[in-house]
Amino acid sequence: QKEVEQNSGPLSVPEGAIASLNCTYSDRVSQSFFWYRQYSGKSPELIMSIYSNGDKEDGRFTAQLNKASQYVSLLIRDSQPSDSATYLCAVTRINTGFQKLVFGTGTRLLVSP
Amino acid sequence: DADVTQTPRNRITKTGKRIMLECSQTKGHDRMYWYRQDPGLGLRLIYYSFDVKDINKGEISDGYSVSRQAQAKFSLSLESAIPNQTALYFCATSDWTSGEETQYFGPGTRLLVL
Repeated sequence: QKEVEQNSGPLSVPEGAIASLNCTYSDRVSQSFFWYRQYSGKSPELIMSIYSNGDKEDGRFTAQLNKASQYVSLLIRDSQPSDSATYLCAVTRINTGFQKLVFGTGTRLLVSP
Repeated sequence: DADVTQTPRNRITKTGKRIMLECSQTKGHDRMYWYRQDPGLGLRLIYYSFDVKDINKGEISDGYSVSRQAQAKFSLSLESAIPNQTALYFCATSDWTSGEETQYFGPGTRLLVL
């Protein structure tokens, strides 16, 4: 079982729709959760971080965390073609006192005009 | 100006050659990291450093070495490059003093080993 699992996609949504990206993780003691956006050939860019159960909203983005289910999601409202990218879920794991960041392989999102 | 810079941005080399990838940051962060990214495998940690005197191996350090020349500079070396080291390499930094382990990535170096 991978530490952080994401559906590779592509997830295709029409412009203006809600895109829902999901991520599960295996380590129950993980404390911090991140969503990064990565355009093709570019570096990952932090979109959201979430540390406690529930929802966290930032503009068109909402991160949702459910530690009991070991599940974190990212909702993108009013999706735009410019949102087309790969979204990486990252989770911290304690490693000899260091909170190592473990990445999923990413979900590719395609937003069609 | 970018906060985290990497040089070179692209590099083609031959099997057996020694090469160095360099990373510099102006964010003032203590922690620096080297990752490689391969299709289908995601980002994997090669080495990380908490300060100039603290360097640690990540999950895939074999065939690589690093040097932390200063707080702002962290270099990755491939002692004898092999084709399966062809990948996209990222440097990242983070600031633990904020209490959050948010990592900020450089633009990447695309390496091709022939």
